[in-house]
Amino acid sequence: SQQGEEDPQALSIQEGENATMNCSYKTSINNLQWYRQNSGRGLVHLILIRSNEREKHSGRLRVTLDTSKKSSSLLITASRAADTASYFCATGRGGSNYKLTFGKGTLLTVNP
Amino acid sequence: DVKVTQSSRYLVKRTGEKVFLECVQDMDHENMFWYRQDPGLGLRLIYFSYDVKMKEKGDIPEGYSVSREKKERFSLILESASTNQTSMYLCASRPSGTTYEQYFGPGTRLTVT
Repeated sequence: SQQGEEDPQALSIQEGENATMNCSYKTSINNLQWYRQNSGRGLVHLILIRSNEREKHSGRLRVTLDTSKKSSSLLITASRAADTASYFCATGRGGSNYKLTFGKGTLLTVNP
Repeated sequence: DVKVTQSSRYLVKRTGEKVFLECVQDMDHENMFWYRQDPGLGLRLIYFSYDVKMKEKGDIPEGYSVSREKKERFSLILESASTNQTSMYLCASRPSGTTYEQYFGPGTRLTVT
């Protein structure tokens, strides 16, 4: 069953602006990941945040995790046209049979 | 670089045909996954495999089967394709242990007419 839910479903901004996407989930998790998908292609892993972490940075990406609210946010700073893509959060559970449950995604359009 | 390849980017099949979707990874990963992606529904897990000849059902296994005879190859089989199986199919792999990142193939867009 789907667990992660991204918000908003679609976001359109101008180059140079920041983009914020949110993800909510329902059950306990080991970690939460964000992936990017360019149109018609496979997904690419962006960043992972563990359940005992509150914030993580990678280049222009900043991810926060609030386990009490069961939510996460992905911030892309100084966006570029090349950031145009769909962004998915995925929550992970389990040990040896670790699996991900993906949300429905946010479509980000960065206008030049 | 990890590479996950899928046998076809686009595939058109007729209702009732048996369809094979192949996925190959070159990084000796133990875990492999098949997802389907539909507009408004996101990615849904069909089957996954954590070792050769091992498989487990995901969230939507009905109408599908899988085969993993070799570590690098994970096949998705549609025994009798139906129009509601028209979708984008994505394969992914992941090593065992505490590396949680999944590596995805480019996807196969299957149309069943």
